[in-house]
Amino acid sequence: DIVMTQSPLSLPVTPGETASISCRSSQSLLYSNGYNYLDWYLQKPGQSPQLLIYLGSHRASGVPDRFSGSGSGTDFTLKISGVEAEDVGVYYCMQALETPLTFGGGTKVDIK
Amino acid sequence: QVQLQQWGAGLLKPSETLSLTCAVYGGSFSGFYWTWIRQSPGKGLEWIGEINHSGSSNYNPSLEGRVTMSVDTSKNQFSLNLTSMTAADTGVYSCTRGYLGGGNFQLWGQGTLVAVSS
Repeated sequence: DIVMTQSPLSLPVTPGETASISCRSSQSLLYSNGYNYLDWYLQKPGQSPQLLIYLGSHRASGVPDRFSGSGSGTDFTLKISGVEAEDVGVYYCMQALETPLTFGGGTKVDIK
Repeated sequence: QVQLQQWGAGLLKPSETLSLTCAVYGGSFSGFYWTWIRQSPGKGLEWIGEINHSGSSNYNPSLEGRVTMSVDTSKNQFSLNLTSMTAADTGVYSCTRGYLGGGNFQLWGQGTLVAVSS
């Protein structure tokens, strides 16, 4: 199985600041079609995860443009430019290159 | 607007079988991979498996032998059966819609809290 490792575990942020979350995979997620099969999800308390980013850098429908995904191969970053109070929750990366799909352990973002 | 609605028993005894069903309302059933994911305190988010409208499925090897998925295209529903439940299987089970090629889970069911206890 592909192992997904996220850092940091916890990220206290001040509203308006930029937050970055790192995700590393145990093998490359870059497919021969040029796409990286890496998703980012946000799970707010009491809710199902919601898709933020797919294929490494494509923002999902309805997701604010303060969320951006970057990286390739085995190293990826989710950036939140200008964190808002509604962005608190646990962020997960997930590899979609091969089954079984696997998730990172999560990064908890809260407001300082 | 496409919605997923899931149902099934939430309290099981050890060795019993979990049965959950997820219905797709307001959208196409074909062309997607219908997926089950669970979340437990000890293991985080875990992909259980996926099935498409023709019944082609992939399961997590960690659950191989215990998991079966099926589809009912006449009702736009798909189901999960997980046998020999133990306390380690306790968690929230959710259905979701994925794409061939993996992931991109934009649509989710409401989740079912499943507890296994004698």
